[in-house]
Amino acid sequence: ETGVTQTPRHLVMGMTNKKSLKCEQHLGHNAMYWYKQSAKKPLELMFVYNFKEQTENNSVPSRFSPECPNSSHLFLHLHTLQPEDSALYLCASSQAVEIHEQYFGPGTRLTVT
Amino acid sequence: DAKTTQPPSMDCAEGRAANLPCNHSTISGNEYVYWYRQIHSQGPQYIIHGLKNNETNEMASLIITEDRKSSTLILPHATLRDTAVYYCIVRVAFGANNLFFGTGTRLTVIP
Repeated sequence: ETGVTQTPRHLVMGMTNKKSLKCEQHLGHNAMYWYKQSAKKPLELMFVYNFKEQTENNSVPSRFSPECPNSSHLFLHLHTLQPEDSALYLCASSQAVEIHEQYFGPGTRLTVT
Repeated sequence: DAKTTQPPSMDCAEGRAANLPCNHSTISGNEYVYWYRQIHSQGPQYIIHGLKNNETNEMASLIITEDRKSSTLILPHATLRDTAVYYCIVRVAFGANNLFFGTGTRLTVIP
């Protein structure tokens, strides 16, 4: 596997479910990111991790809980989501948190019913 | 960060050069111009970046005007697979990590 991978690619969940999104990067990068892309809106940065430590949380509701066990893996744990949380969730990585050359995964298309 | 202005959409004939403009009249001296693109239902893809000199890589060329107030991304021989939304982003090279993608230019390559 090369680049940034995300699983699952598609997810449908009810508002009372708990699910997790997984991201893995095979680039040896030290920074990882979660973005949200809603229909017809610009990408929104959600979380930033640098060497496994969270460095940024852009006022994301607590129903989204990130986890970064090591520099290669990033999770987004989801619980009690709302229909408006339906979106494309994108993971990205970069060599360092200050470097803006980011590499994105294919995303997880999430639908909350 | 400097704001950028891009046309909402453009068409280009297959095999011809696609020239995508970006205005960034408030750019400051330490801000770079970055270009990304997003093909439908995929994650954004880094294309190229530059400070003041023109840059070229295997994907595209970036032409930055002498006053740095605007730039053009050039895809020399557009193919159908180049149909995507192209984002011009201006940021300092080393700094806060929030890339603001804006709404970009939707390029449609026509057969």
